[in-house]
Formats: sequence, C-alpha cells, structure tokens
Amino acid sequence: DAGVTQSPTHLIKTRGQQVTLRCSPKSGHDTVSWYQQALGQGPQFIFQYYEEEERQRGNFPDRFSGHQFPNYSSELNVNALLLGDSALYLCASRSVGISGSSYNEQFFGPGTRLTVL
Amino acid sequence: GEDVEQSLFLSVREGDSSVINCTYTDSSSTYLYWYKQEPGAGLQLLTYIFSNMDMKQDQRLTVLLNKKDKHLSLRIADTQTGDSAIYFCAENGGYQKVTFGIGTKLQVIP
Repeated sequence: DAGVTQSPTHLIKTRGQQVTLRCSPKSGHDTVSWYQQALGQGPQFIFQYYEEEERQRGNFPDRFSGHQFPNYSSELNVNALLLGDSALYLCASRSVGISGSSYNEQFFGPGTRLTVL
Repeated sequence: GEDVEQSLFLSVREGDSSVINCTYTDSSSTYLYWYKQEPGAGLQLLTYIFSNMDMKQDQRLTVLLNKKDKHLSLRIADTQTGDSAIYFCAENGGYQKVTFGIGTKLQVIP
C-alpha cells in the first residue's frame, strides 16, 4: 500500500498564475481533506471532499477550489496566486466507515511545496 | 472558533523525559491528537485520546487530558535523538475537520 500520494513534490509559480495539485488517497479511503501549512505554522484546514462533494470548508477564499473524482482521488486548484499562497499543501485521507461517525485515523501525504514568486 | 495553543520550543537531554503542553478552546472536541513532523516530511499521527479519557499510554508516550482546563500534554519517556521533530497538538472540530496548533520544536541534545 503506497499510502497517500501527492504530486508534484515541488512547484514554482508566479503571481497571478493558476495551479493544480493532486492527491491519491490511501487504498480503501473515500474522504480527502486538504490543508495549507505556511512556513513555521501548523496546517490550516482548507476543505474536505466526500462522495465527490465539498463537505466542509475552512476560512479560505473562493480562489481555492477542489474536486474529487469517482476513484476518490482529488485535486486542489488555486487561482490568481498570491505570494502568501506559498506553503506546503498537505492532503489527508480517511475512511468514513460504515457508521459514518466512528473514529478513523487520517493519513497524511508528504505534501506539495508551492513557491509563488 | 477553535484554537489550539502550544509552546514553540523545548530542549531536553537524551534519556530525559520530554513534556509538551497544549491548550485548546473547543469544548465539543471529540478527539485530541498528537502529530509528529520531521523535516521535509508529512505529518505522522503519534497518538490520540478520546475526550472522555484522562490518560492514554502507548509505549514511551503518555497523553494526559484535563478536560476541565482544556489542557493536553504529551510525555515522551527516555527521549532519543530520533525524537527530534516538530510536534503538533490538534483537535477535531466536527466532521473530522482538524485544527492544529503552531507546533512545538523538540530538540534532543546528545
């Protein structure tokens, strides 16, 4: 089992550009969450996808959008990049489980390091 | 809203115990977590505690939860150089959204 994988590993963009980051969840997982971790900070929740819909969203502008595919993989899109978007973007996956509310550990990927110049 | 606070830095000698402290604000948190992040790596879940528990022990790790004071601690016994990393306290604020603290950098001196 490869665990949670993310691509690319590193990315450099310029202000105003658009970027797409990709995440493949751990095998058997159906829920994907995205986090932004700025340098020296803890991860900040962006949003979560389950059943191809955005289920919960953190305090991020509409420039941040996402998508989940039928195979549970997910993309994070950021439009009109700002210097402040430079960060490590982490994807995490889990399984909702049969009950939908039982504890299920979130597994994190290694992240995509985005640098905006 | 949810907020998690923790100290920024802790230095200990190899073989000593490390205690990392955290306070949180969301009294409805169901689970509280400790994650470890090594340089250039993602987050590794070390341990978690359910909100109706006071203590959880897992090998060298002991988690203490004071729900009244909303205080969580992580004790690492016999700290090793491989324990050097950033440790994040986190809580779940509903539907598995996880709120993280800023992280405590643990430095282990040989």
